[in-house]
Formats: sequence, C-alpha cells, structure tokens
Amino acid sequence: NAGVTQTPKFRVLKTGQSMTLLCAQDMNHEYMYWYRQDPGMGLRLIHYSVGEGTTAKGEVPDGYNVSRLKKQNFLLGLESAAPSQTSVYFCASRPTTKATGQYFGPGTRLTVT
Amino acid sequence: SQQGEEDPQALSIQEGENATMNCSYKTSINNLQWYRQNSGRGLVHLILIRSNEREKHSGRLRVTLDTSKKSSSLLITASRAADTASYFCATDARDDKIIFGKGTRLHILP
Repeated sequence: NAGVTQTPKFRVLKTGQSMTLLCAQDMNHEYMYWYRQDPGMGLRLIHYSVGEGTTAKGEVPDGYNVSRLKKQNFLLGLESAAPSQTSVYFCASRPTTKATGQYFGPGTRLTVT
Repeated sequence: SQQGEEDPQALSIQEGENATMNCSYKTSINNLQWYRQNSGRGLVHLILIRSNEREKHSGRLRVTLDTSKKSSSLLITASRAADTASYFCATDARDDKIIFGKGTRLHILP
C-alpha cells in the first residue's frame, strides 16, 4: 500500500515551459487535492476533485489546470511556467466521509528560472 | 484568502513542558483538522474534531473547538524533541474545500 505518491520529486523549468505533475493514490479515495506551499504562507489550495471526472477551483487556481480521468490519478498542469510558480506542490486525498483527515504525498519541489 | 490563522507563528519551549497553539477561522465548518509537518516533508494528519464536538483527545494531544468564537486550540502535553515541527490547522467547510492556515513552528529545546 503506497498511499499517495507524487511524480517527479524535483524539477527545474525555464519560464514558458510546460509540465505535468502526477499524483496517484491506491486507497480508492474519492477526494483529491493539489496545494502549493511557499515560505511563510502555509498551504494554499490550487484545485480539487470530488470524484472521477470532476474538478473545481481552489484559492489560487490561476496558471494551473487539472484533470481527473481516473479515480486514482490527479494531474496538475502548468501550461506556461512563471517564476511565481516556484514552490513545493503537495497532493492529498481522502475518502468521501467527512470525518477523515487527508493523506498527503511527499511533495514535488519545482523551480522556475 | 486563507481560512485558518494559527497563533503564535513560532513557539519555543523546554522539553517536558506543554505546548499550546491556537487557530481562528472565518466561516462555518463541518470539522477542523490539525496536521504536523516535519521539515521539508508531507503533512501528517493528527486529529479531527467535528463541529458538534467541543473537545477531543488522542494520546498527548488535546484539541478544543469553540464554534461561537470560530477558534480551536491544540495542546501537546509533556513535549518531546520529536515534537519539533510545524503545526497547521485546516478547516473542512461545506463546499468540500479544505483550507489551511499558515502554521505554527514549534521548537522543543533539550
């Protein structure tokens, strides 16, 4: 049982390049979330999904797109990376029940130069 | 904007003492959650308290919730060096979003 995994762990991009971050969970969870963490800012919600085929905007969605084609995977895309998107990105999942906390992945450290 | 705000931002205490962190939030919630993050790693869920609960315990952790004041506190008793970490509160509101505060950095001194 791997829990929540994120690929890649590290990445350096040049401004304007695109990339996709992959989050995978093997716990059959309905809900999945993407956050970014910047120094002193805590975690900010980018996008989330309440089930396969659904996505919704969080607090800071601009510049990102997401897709949830399979229940176990939640993809975060950057179409044209900007230095302001340098951050650590965390994915999380949880089951449908509202009485459970989230399970987090180990994070992806992204640097945009 | 972030829903939860922790207080204090940073806290240093001697090993064996109790640590208290507070969280205030803005809107109605289903539940409030506390997480721990060791440096550079993913967050770990510690405890969840529902909106109809006032107090909850888990080992050395005690969480209180006051929905009238929109605030919560996390108490860690008999602190240990391994408790050194950042602690975050997160609110599960009625729109399925889970929003985090900026966290409290806790440092346990030997």
